[in-house]
Amino acid sequence: VQLVESGGGLVQPGKSLKLSCSASGFTFSSYGMHWIRQAPGKGLDWVAYISSSSGTVYADAVKGRFTISRDNAKNTLYLQLNSLKSEDTAIYYCASLRLATGYWGQGVMVTVSS
Amino acid sequence: DVVLTQTPSTLSATIGQSVSISCRSSQSLLDSAGNTYLYWYLQRPGQSPQLLIYLVSNLGSGVPNRFSGSGSGTDFTLKISGVEAEDLGVYYCMQATHALTFGSGTKLEIK
Repeated sequence: VQLVESGGGLVQPGKSLKLSCSASGFTFSSYGMHWIRQAPGKGLDWVAYISSSSGTVYADAVKGRFTISRDNAKNTLYLQLNSLKSEDTAIYYCASLRLATGYWGQGVMVTVSS
Repeated sequence: DVVLTQTPSTLSATIGQSVSISCRSSQSLLDSAGNTYLYWYLQRPGQSPQLLIYLVSNLGSGVPNRFSGSGSGTDFTLKISGVEAEDLGVYYCMQATHALTFGSGTKLEIK
């Protein structure tokens, strides 16, 4: 199993960014996927979840601003980040968290600053 | 939302010492089907989290048996029986019974 995030970078407050997570080594379409973030020097913070049937759930802090989606044909998970705030600055991980295993990507840094 | 309170926030141990980390939930993590979705992760410096324990007390694949988990309902414990140098990092409990939340973390330092 391999999860590789991309699309991070420096962005101004109020702007948008789209993260991608390329998955391999498992049947991507069969599993729900999460985005989890970690602010610099802080703990883990769940952001969003998408089920195998594309049902979505969001943390209150990002609801209405972030959108999780998936393209099963491309084995890719996405996170659209809109109306970014300084407090969204973090490493963003995609993760496949199953009953008895947990797979995480290496993370991608998003910095929101003017 | 479920809040997971981990204690202590920092732990300093010598090699070979046994230590315990507590994780207390603001709600019972037992679901209607009788499952308790409580997990323990270790995040080593500069790395992504790795699974140690799943469903309260089950050892993850490849995880040394010096790690053990116990508890029920709202109170859970991770024990390391004989700390080794490679165990340094931050330990997180995570619950998946009610959406997904993480504890605030326990940093293990080696003396």
